[in-house]
Amino acid sequence: GAVVSQHPSRVICKSGTSVKIECRSLDFQATTMFWYRQFPKQSLMLMATSNEGSKATYEQGVEKDKFLINHASLTLSTLTVTSAHPEDSSFYICSARDRRGYQPQHFGDGTRLSIL
Amino acid sequence: GQQLNQSPQSMFIQEGEDVSMNCTSSSIFNTWLWYKQEPGEGPVLLIALYKAGELTSNGRLTAQFGITRKDSFLNISASIPSDVGIYFCAGPSNTGKLIFGQGTTLQVKP
Repeated sequence: GAVVSQHPSRVICKSGTSVKIECRSLDFQATTMFWYRQFPKQSLMLMATSNEGSKATYEQGVEKDKFLINHASLTLSTLTVTSAHPEDSSFYICSARDRRGYQPQHFGDGTRLSIL
Repeated sequence: GQQLNQSPQSMFIQEGEDVSMNCTSSSIFNTWLWYKQEPGEGPVLLIALYKAGELTSNGRLTAQFGITRKDSFLNISASIPSDVGIYFCAGPSNTGKLIFGQGTTLQVKP
């Protein structure tokens, strides 16, 4: 089945650091990938839609300069949390959709980001 | 905007019991998806429903796409401890983005 790999699974770093999270589709090509944020005991909140070869589309209230998204190939999207602060600590999850017709989104295993 | 209302919010059941959870919306969805999320992991797709009235099974799981296209349910039969997790319903919005229900947290007592 479709596999999405997300790396790293856990990051602990100091305030002010920039952190990059990778999302890869391993056995399919994805023109569109999605980045979500999830707080404890809550549902997934869409942050942005990453489109291969073009600019990402951000949801209302999400700072594009804070959360930089790059989707340089059909199998890789990256999310960089710039100058991270403790309030950015969260569980970040990516998903990808197969470019060949409509398929359900498949999710990565998430990245637990902790900013000290 | 489009929203999915999922219930119950949480369930605490005895091993061996059957479980039922549902999802409703005020607007029509053309696809219903059910995901399970375990602690510290991403959601895993359990069942995808594409046609109104469709009833689909995956092992002990059964899900149905409501005739009105505004609801779906997920049943788990003979629950076991590894069924523990958060179950989300989801559906693509008019713009293609995936909308999630609030989730149902399931706990199973051995």
